Amino acid sequence: DVVMTQTPVSLSVSLGGQVSISCRSSQSLVHNNGNTYLSWYLQKPGQSPQLLIYKVSNRFSGISDRFSGSGSGTDFTLKISRVEPDDLGVYYCGQGTQYPFTFGSGTKLEIK
Amino acid sequence: EVQLVESGGGLVQPGRSLKLSCAASGFTFSNYYMAWVRQAPKKGLEWVATISTSGSRTYYPDSVKGRFTISRDNAKSSLYLQMNSLKSEDTATYYCARQGSDRYKPLDYWGQGVMVTVSS
Repeated sequence: DVVMTQTPVSLSVSLGGQVSISCRSSQSLVHNNGNTYLSWYLQKPGQSPQLLIYKVSNRFSGISDRFSGSGSGTDFTLKISRVEPDDLGVYYCGQGTQYPFTFGSGTKLEIK
Repeated sequence: EVQLVESGGGLVQPGRSLKLSCAASGFTFSNYYMAWVRQAPKKGLEWVATISTSGSRTYYPDSVKGRFTISRDNAKSSLYLQMNSLKSEDTATYYCARQGSDRYKPLDYWGQGVMVTVSS
């Protein structure tokens, strides 16, 4: 199985600041078809997860351009700029390139 | 508006069975792969099952293979998860999620979740 390792486990940021979350996979996430099926999800307190980013860098419908994804192969990053109060929660990366579909263990974002 | 509403959760004894349902609306259900994902209390996300648009192909992790069965009824826009031989480690909130046009796609809409507690 592909192991997804997220760092840091938690981080605290001031409103208006910028943060980066790292996600590394134990194997390349480049599919035979050339696509890289790496996504980012946010689970706000008491809510279901929501999709933010898919295929490394594509923002899902309605997601602010303050969220950006980058990376390739086994190394990926989610950046959040101009952090707002509504951004707090747990961020998960997930991969669908190789089954079983696996998620990282999550990064908890707190607002200072 | 895409809506996914799970039902069927509850308290069940180890070794017993439970069937979850997910009612979908706001999109053409038969055009999408669908999935179940669970989250144990205070833990992260674990993918549980995926089913193809027609229902002819299903996928499971080893942790539930042979015990859980995902199915769908496209005429009713409904997704199901039959869970047999339940164990205490199956205790979790179970989410129904839409997965897109193939099994590699991300989980783009999620239900509110339903709690399953396995305990004697």
